[in-house]
Amino acid sequence: LAKTTQPISMDSYEGQEVNITCSHNNIATNDYITWYQQFPSQGPRFIIQGYKTKVTNEVASLFIPADRKSSTLSLPRVSLSDTAVYYCLLGGGGSYIPTFGRGTSLIVHP
Amino acid sequence: DTAVSQTPKYLVTQMGNDKSIKCEQNLGHDTMYWYKQDSKKFLKIMFSYNNKELIINETVPNRFSPKSPDKAHLNLHINSLELGDSAVYFCASSQLLGVGQFFGPGTRLTVL
Repeated sequence: LAKTTQPISMDSYEGQEVNITCSHNNIATNDYITWYQQFPSQGPRFIIQGYKTKVTNEVASLFIPADRKSSTLSLPRVSLSDTAVYYCLLGGGGSYIPTFGRGTSLIVHP
Repeated sequence: DTAVSQTPKYLVTQMGNDKSIKCEQNLGHDTMYWYKQDSKKFLKIMFSYNNKELIINETVPNRFSPKSPDKAHLNLHINSLELGDSAVYFCASSQLLGVGQFFGPGTRLTVL
């Protein structure tokens, strides 16, 4: 199983940039890296996905180094509503099992 | 126009009972999943179906039986419920296995 490791928790303040790193040393060649956000009592929500280098959308950026053994989710100028648990997930074609990490609980303070 | 829907949202039942949770997706995806999220918030895959075929069955007791009548539906039937089955169960779907999954709102199961 491809395993991921993330910090258990992070704290930040409104307006700051937050970077959450996920380690995945045994990522497979076919694996994409996907990040999800989960609020209490809701299902995980897709944020961003990438394979290598950098991906940016309207809510976040995803940085993936050349060796792909880690990835960093970057949230620019967080607000209170970004307080949630963030998960990274490895996934792709072929025979593998989607494995969520423990998630990072981000708390944004006023 | 909900993408992935589950029913019921809450389910409270006694030990030993049999219950079912239903899931439907209107995204046209080929792959559907069931996940279990326990009290420690650990999200663990249970099953995955691709076009009505079971492709992942992850160390789940055989009291749990998924059924996919068509590729838009994946139901979960649980026999002889136990206290440890209490958790939130999420259904999800995607076009490719493990890539870009859309999750349902979850079903909170409480076994008394």
